[in-house]
Amino acid sequence: GQSLEQPSEVTAVEGAIVQINCTYQTSGFYGLSWYQQHDGGAPTFLSYNALDGLEETGRFSSFLSRSDSYGYLLLQELQMKDSASYFCAVRNFNKFYFGSGTKLNVKP
Amino acid sequence: GAVVSQHPSRVICKSGTSVKIECRSLDFQATTMFWYRQFPKKSLMLMATSNEGSKATYEQGVEKDKFLINHASLTLSTLTVTSAHPEDSSFYICSARDVTSGKGQETQYFGPGTRLLVL
Repeated sequence: GQSLEQPSEVTAVEGAIVQINCTYQTSGFYGLSWYQQHDGGAPTFLSYNALDGLEETGRFSSFLSRSDSYGYLLLQELQMKDSASYFCAVRNFNKFYFGSGTKLNVKP
Repeated sequence: GAVVSQHPSRVICKSGTSVKIECRSLDFQATTMFWYRQFPKKSLMLMATSNEGSKATYEQGVEKDKFLINHASLTLSTLTVTSAHPEDSSFYICSARDVTSGKGQETQYFGPGTRLLVL
């Protein structure tokens, strides 16, 4: 089976940097994805890491350490529109299993 | 980017009736689609994998006779909630992988979701 842990809620101010951690246990691992979901909306893809290291896409970066079963999403230059829930998801072959989500509150 | 649609976006039904939800990939072919269920302020729970031309595979604990899945074409999968009860009320989301884009298997595109309320 799979289990993922991430903080339930994080609060930060506009312009700041925030890191959302994700630890996982899984029977099979192909990679770690991150998704953003605004209230009432569908998840949108942010990033995917199959190999160890840092992937950068604009203001968002994602890191993976396979040996530690750990990853994080780094959001820089926070904006109010970044307030949303962020989910990590492990890929096991062609399926994705999601963490419980981290609600990010960005304050002015 | 790839687009996935769902229909209907919202549905209210009486207990005991069946509800069909459609998931379509609009600009790509999807041999595999996924169905998730999400309760308020909770995570997405993978229910089943819908495979074009073959039977769906269900996750442990998901009743296949309750949640019927049909993947009739490369762009359409349907989820039918049979004999719906109030506890089936939830947000149902489908996703599809675009394996032709060169991005490999890591990218899923999600539909906008269907909010089901069973009275």
